[in-house]
Amino acid sequence: DTAVSQTPKYLVTQMGNDKSIKCEQNLGHDTMYWYKQDSKKFLKIMFSYNNKELIINETVPNRFSPKSPDKAHLNLHINSLELGDSAVYFCASSQVADTGELFFGEGSRLTVL
Amino acid sequence: AQSVAQPEDQVNVAEGNPLTVKCTYSVSGNPYLFWYVQYPNRGLQFLLKYITGDNLVKGSYGFEAEFNKSQTSFHLKKPSALVSDSALYFCALGGSSNTGKLIFGQGTTLQVKP
Repeated sequence: DTAVSQTPKYLVTQMGNDKSIKCEQNLGHDTMYWYKQDSKKFLKIMFSYNNKELIINETVPNRFSPKSPDKAHLNLHINSLELGDSAVYFCASSQVADTGELFFGEGSRLTVL
Repeated sequence: AQSVAQPEDQVNVAEGNPLTVKCTYSVSGNPYLFWYVQYPNRGLQFLLKYITGDNLVKGSYGFEAEFNKSQTSFHLKKPSALVSDSALYFCALGGSSNTGKLIFGQGTTLQVKP
């Protein structure tokens, strides 16, 4: 039973399109995250939600809009996709902020053509 | 400002030999330090963490890490490497703001050769 699941796993789209990535965790965790991994494998946090409340927004362009309908779900919607948005997007969750380990999904590879 | 660095892009070891993957950090206050492993086309998996207490932390798959406050380091070690340990390893720093935010190092590719 997958702990943190993301869909879709792969996404290929044209510049200017809008796309969404969904994430669900069944661990009962309070905090969920979106991380971006670029082509050089560098990982950077984008957003964090705690109990549906946004607590981190790391100067991500406002074309990116996270939505958390409940604490088990955190979706990422991206408007007007650009070539530079191509990356692997990882959803993660944790029970305890700062000291608790993150549980990551398998990633969603977005390719913008 | 907080930061974490992994000075080696790649580490090569022979199977059966000990391995070390280096990590150094910079933080004001007490660091919370983590190691994660990423296999190809997979998400990151937690290996171990240091919050407080014993400087030698034991984790999954036989890995351990040594916290050294004076050298601001948290190197990952394993006494005997396996080919299956070949993967991308990330050191991460947390604990700044109670938000769960982790700052990741650049990653080190570990290649274990038979």
